Amino acid sequence: DSGVTQTPKHLITATGQRVTLRCSPRSGDLSVYWYQQSLDQGLQFLIHYYNGEERAKGNILERFSAQQFPDLHSELNLSSLELGDSALYFCASGLAGRPQETQYFGPGTRLLVL
Amino acid sequence: AQKVTQAQTEISVVEKEDVTLDCVYETRDTTYYLFWYKQPPSGELVFLIRRNSFDEQNEISGRYSWNFQKSTSSFNFTITASQVVDSAVYFCALSELQTGGGADGLTFGKGTHLIIQP
Repeated sequence: DSGVTQTPKHLITATGQRVTLRCSPRSGDLSVYWYQQSLDQGLQFLIHYYNGEERAKGNILERFSAQQFPDLHSELNLSSLELGDSALYFCASGLAGRPQETQYFGPGTRLLVL
Repeated sequence: AQKVTQAQTEISVVEKEDVTLDCVYETRDTTYYLFWYKQPPSGELVFLIRRNSFDEQNEISGRYSWNFQKSTSSFNFTITASQVVDSAVYFCALSELQTGGGADGLTFGKGTHLIIQP
């Protein structure tokens, strides 16, 4: 158990809908990273938040957005969903958002868009 | 831009054999960090090791060992006396230092699916 929690574990929705994925980092960690894992694209970095502020963006679509709240939990919002958004979404947490730190991953949210 | 290549898509060996998973990386930075993660069939990503670019010492942890060679930009992972429980997808990843000192997120290879047959 990494200490990172993600909810829900599974999500099934329809095209055009909007969903919110939630992540709570390990106790004491200030950074949250979001990743998408799909069969064709592999594991891709989406976005990094540190202590409530956006730090870096990766291959995140404009239909996707994220935020980190004062209690440090983070939410990833996916809107206007398409079939291709079906994937496993991971969040990871790190102590201070430095590249040398280990990122500890949550169990993931498996999203299926029908 | 940084890149991580795991050329072996799938490896199948019989239990107790030794197996090496290859990882080759590309980066323009002199300071960077390399990681290995394991993804068992249950789906979670489990951290295995982190290595700094300025530390080329090889590391051994039980049946696991890692060989880091800057000259060939490789960070290979060897499992000795493999066991069925080692069956998983293994990912190599790279992290670079941003100008401001922050982290961009990990760049992952495509992964190697390791199958250990009893």
